[in-house]
Amino acid sequence: IVLTQSPGTLSLSPGERATLSCRASQSVSSSYVAWYQQKPGQAPRLLIYGASNRATGISDRFSGSGSATDFTLTISRLEPEDFAVYYCHQYGSPYTFGQGTKLEIK
Amino acid sequence: EVQLVQSGAEVKKPGESLKISCKGSGYSFTNYWIAWVRQMPGKGLEWMGIIYPGDSDTRYSPSFQGQVTISADKSISTAYLQWSSLKASDTAIYYCARLISPSDIRYFDPWGQGTLVTVSS
Repeated sequence: IVLTQSPGTLSLSPGERATLSCRASQSVSSSYVAWYQQKPGQAPRLLIYGASNRATGISDRFSGSGSATDFTLTISRLEPEDFAVYYCHQYGSPYTFGQGTKLEIK
Repeated sequence: EVQLVQSGAEVKKPGESLKISCKGSGYSFTNYWIAWVRQMPGKGLEWMGIIYPGDSDTRYSPSFQGQVTISADKSISTAYLQWSSLKASDTAIYYCARLISPSDIRYFDPWGQGTLVTVSS
């Protein structure tokens, strides 16, 4: 299963809303879809699991949605610390990651 | 606190062998799968393989089958990733991550801090 994320780069300002897309080449169980945030020099951090469940300690500004082949990560009001690279991931066999969306400050 | 602590950065020459480690603490190491993920310089994440330390059941991504070996020593709560003959293209950061799988859900949490492997002549 190939995951395609769009856009590749998203340029927004603090306070704006970010919408990141992840499209699968075939249907994926929503239970198997997660989103990770990665900042420079750091390991990825779990944000969302089961397509829509926030991980422990994750701000409610982050939300996930979607089913089948289309999944979305939404950040409602961007804070400076949110600018990073975001990856979607599916746990079918084999596991695959999207290529990432870089969220940069405009 | 659940943690995965990886071994330090390595600099190797092409053709050399290498084994890096990932030590788990704060949980029952034998009851959770541990995955390895590659991140080449400036690139995205690639799943390499996964091991269940309880019985050493191991699965590999087709892209990495035969290229690396994943193992675990449950007596010291440590998983390993090894190469028998490194290539320059193995230069990357390698992460380990614990697979969480309650009922039908799957996700990786936490992740190790990463091990930078540099292969250069």
